[in-house]
Amino acid sequence: DAGVIQSPRHEVTEMGQEVTLRCKPISGHNSLFWYRQTMMRGLELLIYFNNNVPIDDSGMPEDRFSAKMPNASFSTLKIQPSEPRDSAVYFCAIGTSGYNEQFFGPGTRLTVL
Amino acid sequence: GENVEQHPSTLSVQEGDSAVIKCTYSDSASNYFPWYKQELGKGPQLIIDIRSNVGEKKDQRIAVTLNKTAKHFSLHITETQPEDSAVYFCAASVGGFKTIFGAGTRLFVKA
Repeated sequence: DAGVIQSPRHEVTEMGQEVTLRCKPISGHNSLFWYRQTMMRGLELLIYFNNNVPIDDSGMPEDRFSAKMPNASFSTLKIQPSEPRDSAVYFCAIGTSGYNEQFFGPGTRLTVL
Repeated sequence: GENVEQHPSTLSVQEGDSAVIKCTYSDSASNYFPWYKQELGKGPQLIIDIRSNVGEKKDQRIAVTLNKTAKHFSLHITETQPEDSAVYFCAASVGGFKTIFGAGTRLFVKA
């Protein structure tokens, strides 16, 4: 988990509310990935950025999901409005162009009631 | 698109025995195959990886093999220990970006 800070670690919200998940990667990595993990669907890639630019967002489930990376040290994943089926653990991971390894953060456990 | 299948879903071994987890992939363009270990409440941690130009790689008690022709790769853990108990994921990607994960194998090592 070292190298990636995610906040909050746990989030409980009610259906219809806006949820913002945050990721702060350490410097030196220029790729960032958002994943979602559920028992039913496993680990799914939602979106990834390279040099702060979204490269592939084909994994984003619906328009309710959006992600931004305004600079190299910060990214957000927003769900608006949230639904109970969005309940999952959301991971942020970092990597470096030209190298294949990805390093995961500790995750945010989201529960939508 | 890429599809990764992983077997078994659950594996129980006696401490000291070996454990083998197998994965197959569908996209012949995949050239990078990492293995991750996930402990309860934590994110997946890379434990070993292999690239398509290599057939086998070993790191202490862990080894991975890759058969590009058959499109399958395996994780071998020897002399298992209770601390090896976790969920293990295989994955495949082209160039390390769009990584597709297997469904995971829950490994139990009984003392």
